[in-house]
Amino acid sequence: DAGVIQSPRHEVTEMGQEVTLRCKPISGHNSLFWYRQTMMRGLELLIYFNNNVPIDDSGMPEDRFSAKMPNASFSTLKIQPSEPRDSAVYFCASSLADIYNEQFFGPGTRLTVL
Amino acid sequence: AQTVTQSQPEMSVQEAETVTLSCTYDTSESNYYLFWYKQPPSRQMILVIRQEAYKQQNATENRFSVNFQKAAKSFSLKISDSQLGDTAMYFCAFIGSGAGSYQLTFGKGTKLSVIP
Repeated sequence: DAGVIQSPRHEVTEMGQEVTLRCKPISGHNSLFWYRQTMMRGLELLIYFNNNVPIDDSGMPEDRFSAKMPNASFSTLKIQPSEPRDSAVYFCASSLADIYNEQFFGPGTRLTVL
Repeated sequence: AQTVTQSQPEMSVQEAETVTLSCTYDTSESNYYLFWYKQPPSRQMILVIRQEAYKQQNATENRFSVNFQKAAKSFSLKISDSQLGDTAMYFCAFIGSGAGSYQLTFGKGTKLSVIP
């Protein structure tokens, strides 16, 4: 059974460019999370979807960030325009609300904005 | 709001020895779940072990076990017979069990190095 799939694994771009990160959650999971990991701030929740609907986007840093989940098997996180301070590892995680609330993480996308 | 504190930024252990990583948390909830995640250099977040707060018995997964002290709000991870592959960042995490609970709160992590 495939885990959470993210693409690309690495992304290097120049300041001002648009960046799109992609995620495929585990089949059957109804919750999807986007996290950002940096040395300074650790793991931060950016946005949470439940049944494809954004429930909590309070962690999205600013209007340059947007996320969509058009269907149960796909989500995107877009940064436009990108800035050097957006450089981080971005994780997607999915879960099925059960007694454990366990979240399964993808391999992450390492984003470098020059 | 919940907080998770890992007071040991870095630790090291000799191969085959035992090491304990500390974690404390703060919450007003009576029931919740606690996790330890491992992040090796590949950066994949891997669940190591989970504990339900209402269970008295400490969770165990092969060489990994926890010491869960609910009154003290402490949740330490013990790794026995340490192996080189255990070298990684370890994150303690908390999530509530109430309706609508989804926020996984992480500690800052402990970097563990296993020395041959």
